[in-house]
Amino acid sequence: ELKVEQNPLFLSMQEGKNYTIYCNYSTTSDRLYWYRQDPGKSLESLFVLLSNGAVKQEGRLMASLDTKARLSTLHITAAVHDLSATYFCAVEPGNSGGSNYKLTFGKGTLLTVNP
Amino acid sequence: EAGVAQSPRYKIIEKRQSVAFWCNPISGHATLYWYQQILGQGPKLLIQFQNNGVVDDSQLPKDRFSAERLKGVDSTLKIQPAKLEDSAVYLCASSLYPSHNEQFFGPGTRLTVL
Repeated sequence: ELKVEQNPLFLSMQEGKNYTIYCNYSTTSDRLYWYRQDPGKSLESLFVLLSNGAVKQEGRLMASLDTKARLSTLHITAAVHDLSATYFCAVEPGNSGGSNYKLTFGKGTLLTVNP
Repeated sequence: EAGVAQSPRYKIIEKRQSVAFWCNPISGHATLYWYQQILGQGPKLLIQFQNNGVVDDSQLPKDRFSAERLKGVDSTLKIQPAKLEDSAVYLCASSLYPSHNEQFFGPGTRLTVL
């Protein structure tokens, strides 16, 4: 059974600071997704990482994937209050094939950016 | 492009009652997913449809939950009878096709079972 662990689960940081959220997973995979969820809202797709070494950046967020280490990181640069949300990583098993491409989500990281 | 639509947005029922949720995916998306998100946790897949066929329902509590996607477009998820532990947000998502697995989520239905 695929296990996905995120840490930290709770992150309180000051505006302007940098920090990294980690996503570890337990089985072979080269497909990983990051989502953002605001309170009471649905999930918004942030990044799709489809190969080892993939790096994607959007604004103050940068995501990377190391399939050998089974690790993805979401790096926050110079945080601003608008980034406050819960961030989820989701992993697709590496043996997906046919018609089943099932995502397993981590528990999420609740990020609070304080002025 | 319209997003994934879900209704109702909120539902409060008593235990042992029945409830149904509706989802309309993004036009042209062949794959549809229903997730259960309990407070403080990540979404858990309940069932996945490819067009109108079930691909994965291994985590669906089939004694009380059922889902259908009759014409390969809209889908309904039903709970009968509901239990207290079914209180959660039920999210519907769709993707263009399975191998392009960026999933787009609807706003969800928040279910409270009293």
